[in-house]
Amino acid sequence: TQLLEQSPQFLSIQEGENLTVYCNSSSVFSSLQWYRQEPGEGPVLLVTVVTGGEVKKLKRLTFQFGDARKDSSLHITAAQPGDTGLYLCAGALRGRDDKIIFGKGTRLHILP
Amino acid sequence: DTAVSQTPKYLVTQMGNDKSIKCEQNLGHDTMYWYKQDSKKFLKIMFSYNNKELIINETVPNRFSPKSPDKAHLNLHINSLELGDSAVYFCASSQRGRDTQYFGPGTRLTVL
Repeated sequence: TQLLEQSPQFLSIQEGENLTVYCNSSSVFSSLQWYRQEPGEGPVLLVTVVTGGEVKKLKRLTFQFGDARKDSSLHITAAQPGDTGLYLCAGALRGRDDKIIFGKGTRLHILP
Repeated sequence: DTAVSQTPKYLVTQMGNDKSIKCEQNLGHDTMYWYKQDSKKFLKIMFSYNNKELIINETVPNRFSPKSPDKAHLNLHINSLELGDSAVYFCASSQRGRDTQYFGPGTRLTVL
């Protein structure tokens, strides 16, 4: 069974602090996506990382793909209340059946 | 302008009833999915269709039957609804070979 472990499950921090969310697996992914989901809506793509060791920045968000393409991290600098939401990582597996596996999500709450 | 749309947004029904959820995408994608998100926000794939052909069926009870009349539509029919079916069901689409998925707004199903 392919699993994508995401941690922490819950995170509540003060505005202005930094935080990191992790996704880990024993599977090698062809790519990994990070999504953000607001209440009452579907997940929306933030970024896709493809190459081992790749780092992508989206304003205050930094995404990294592990060298072996088995893990990824999302770092948020100077968190703001608008960052509050559910963050999901998803790994893409290529084979006979292409499949996307989602982590269980990190519920982030930024306190003003 | 809505890329992936689902109807209805909310569905409240009695145990034992049969219900359907509809999904449409106007992105020109060839692959569509149904996901179930439980109360703990875990997003789990149920079905995947590529060009109207079923390619993933993830251990879902036979009471769930997807149907894809064309590439732009994927409907989900559920027979003999059970309490455990209560969840948010998301439709998504993508272009095969590309890992980014576009999600609909979800259908919140409540079985009483």
